[in-house]
Amino acid sequence: DAGVIQSPRHEVTEMGQEVTLRCKPISGHNSLFWYRQTMMRGLELLIYFNNNVPIDDSGMPEDRFSAKMPNASFSTLKIQPSEPRDSAVYFCASTYKTGWDTQYFGPGTRLTVL
Amino acid sequence: GQQLNQSPQSMFIQEGEDVSMNCTSSSIFNTWLWYKQDPGEGPVLLIALYKAGELTSNGRLTAQFGITRKDSFLNISASIPSDVGIYFCAAAGGSNYKLTFGKGTLLTVNP
Repeated sequence: DAGVIQSPRHEVTEMGQEVTLRCKPISGHNSLFWYRQTMMRGLELLIYFNNNVPIDDSGMPEDRFSAKMPNASFSTLKIQPSEPRDSAVYFCASTYKTGWDTQYFGPGTRLTVL
Repeated sequence: GQQLNQSPQSMFIQEGEDVSMNCTSSSIFNTWLWYKQDPGEGPVLLIALYKAGELTSNGRLTAQFGITRKDSFLNISASIPSDVGIYFCAAAGGSNYKLTFGKGTLLTVNP
């Protein structure tokens, strides 16, 4: 299994630009999570999908952030417009049943907004 | 909100030494987890603890779920250079999908 796949691995953009991060969960997994990691705040859950439906988006920082999961094998996290304070590593994780021992993280996308 | 206080923030040890790190909280949790993160990678689960008082080992790693359900520790015995990385504790309460993470312990092992 290829594991959770994220793209791009690195993104450098200018303030005000739209940024789209992509995630392909592990085949057969029915839950998907987007996390953000910063030095100041550590790892934070942004949004959780179950069976492609957003269940909890209370961690999404503001309306500039949006996430979609059009099917079981693809999710996007979009930031529009991006700001320097959005610079962070964004992780996608997936799991297929209750029980944290089945949750696997992707390698992350390091986003830098200039 | 719920917070996990992880300590120490960093450790510099010699190869072969034992390591101990812990997480505490003022909140009660149902699950405690320990992850390791290598540079440029996502966190990888090391040990999951589901019962208060539970003591679990995974090779040279041992972790315990505190009896009060407010804390957990991770021990690494006979450290080796590949143990280098950031170790995170995480905990879950009533929800079965929301994890709270500690800020991490950066471990450096000198050969």
